[in-house]
Amino acid sequence: GESVGLHLPTLSVQEGDNSIINCAYSNSASDYFIWYKQESGKGPQFIIDIRSNMDKRQGQRVTVLLNKTVKHLSLQIAATQPGDSAVYFCAENSDSWGKLQFGAGTQVVVTP
Amino acid sequence: EAEVAQSPRYKITEKSQAVAFWCDPISGHATLYWYRQILGQGPELLVQFQDESVVDDSQLPKDRFSAERLKGVDSTLKIQPAELGDSAMYLCASSPQGIGELFFGEGSRLTVL
Repeated sequence: GESVGLHLPTLSVQEGDNSIINCAYSNSASDYFIWYKQESGKGPQFIIDIRSNMDKRQGQRVTVLLNKTVKHLSLQIAATQPGDSAVYFCAENSDSWGKLQFGAGTQVVVTP
Repeated sequence: EAEVAQSPRYKITEKSQAVAFWCDPISGHATLYWYRQILGQGPELLVQFQDESVVDDSQLPKDRFSAERLKGVDSTLKIQPAELGDSAMYLCASSPQGIGELFFGEGSRLTVL
């Protein structure tokens, strides 16, 4: 089993319920934010992004909220499904080259 | 659908050996990134290329790591000599240019014994 490394914060949610994943970012100059989903042994997959001139953006079953005052980002997943079980990372960009700085991640476990 | 290709998917090596990873970004993407992801942590940038030029390698351990993108298309990341602490997933990503979504490959998982 995978027992080496830091223990990720874990969010356990029942199938069909809504999930909220929170992220605190570090740089007040960051102007672009993105959420990725990473399944075990795979590369990160894009979920949704938001620029700093917005405070809310919606996708299919997902919503991202941005609070620049407290440097907080959240991802809401509606009607969570077993396929949503994964690690979720927020990332921020604060330079013109597009480099993303990733947070620590949250493990989401969906229970039937 | 275009994808970022990486190889090998898995590599097991002994410490002090040399190892190399290859990445082919999505066609037309000018920017290429190598990230390292230690188990249980978020990806950390090692090096960023804009076309064939390095724009950020501040977190690359240059005594043992090297990266190149000679023709501004595919890229190679090399480690020599490998150390136990290098065990991680090495992720390649690309983007068209500037700020926006990074497209990741499936990664190369390195185990150093």
